[in-house]
Amino acid sequence: QVHLVESGGGVVQPWGSLRLSCAASGFTFSSYAMYWVRQAPGRGLEWVAAMSHDGSNKYYTDSVKGRFTISRDNSKDTLYLQMNSLRAEDTAFYYCARDREAYNYDAFDVWGQGTMVTVSS
Amino acid sequence: DIQMTQSPSTLSPSVGDRVTITCRASQTINSYLAWYQQKPGKAPKLLIYRASILEGGVPSRFSGSGSGTEFTLTISSLQPDDFATYYCQQCYSWTFGQGTKVEVK
Repeated sequence: QVHLVESGGGVVQPWGSLRLSCAASGFTFSSYAMYWVRQAPGRGLEWVAAMSHDGSNKYYTDSVKGRFTISRDNSKDTLYLQMNSLRAEDTAFYYCARDREAYNYDAFDVWGQGTMVTVSS
Repeated sequence: DIQMTQSPSTLSPSVGDRVTITCRASQTINSYLAWYQQKPGKAPKLLIYRASILEGGVPSRFSGSGSGTEFTLTISSLQPDDFATYYCQQCYSWTFGQGTKVEVK
């Protein structure tokens, strides 16, 4: 059964750092592009970052460029999001998601349950 | 950046109604458009990809159409389980529309 499980969320002070993890199971992780999507309380979905299946390509939404880093360890079937210089506006539920097609970029067919990040002093 | 604009923001149909949601892209995205359904406290669920292809297990009352910059999601006969928020997403650089909440009348 295909499964994604996020962890690492919590409460952090402004300008602090946090690293999120997303553990994958039930599929060949190294064949799929992976993504991070966030949702602030009561707000819509916002794509945050993307990484190709082999880690060679990374993409970020403008508001997190230079602060967030997406990475993956295909030997551990795990996706990461390193978040630095956190701001109040980064407060959100963070989801990891899988591309629906191997070796391609398309829609997101598998989602984790999400992990909450709260930036507050 | 490609901007996605959904309309309307909210809908209050009755069970059995035909529901149509529109999504407009700020530049052409061919057919690289997906639709998701999200219920409170849950992760989004993929309904349709490539503008018109139904994801496996999604009821046939859902359909998608369009290409270029104009797209629609149609629910042919709204069921009680369909009250939720719906998002479009362009799959070139993955930005989402702002969402359409389909709420109980």
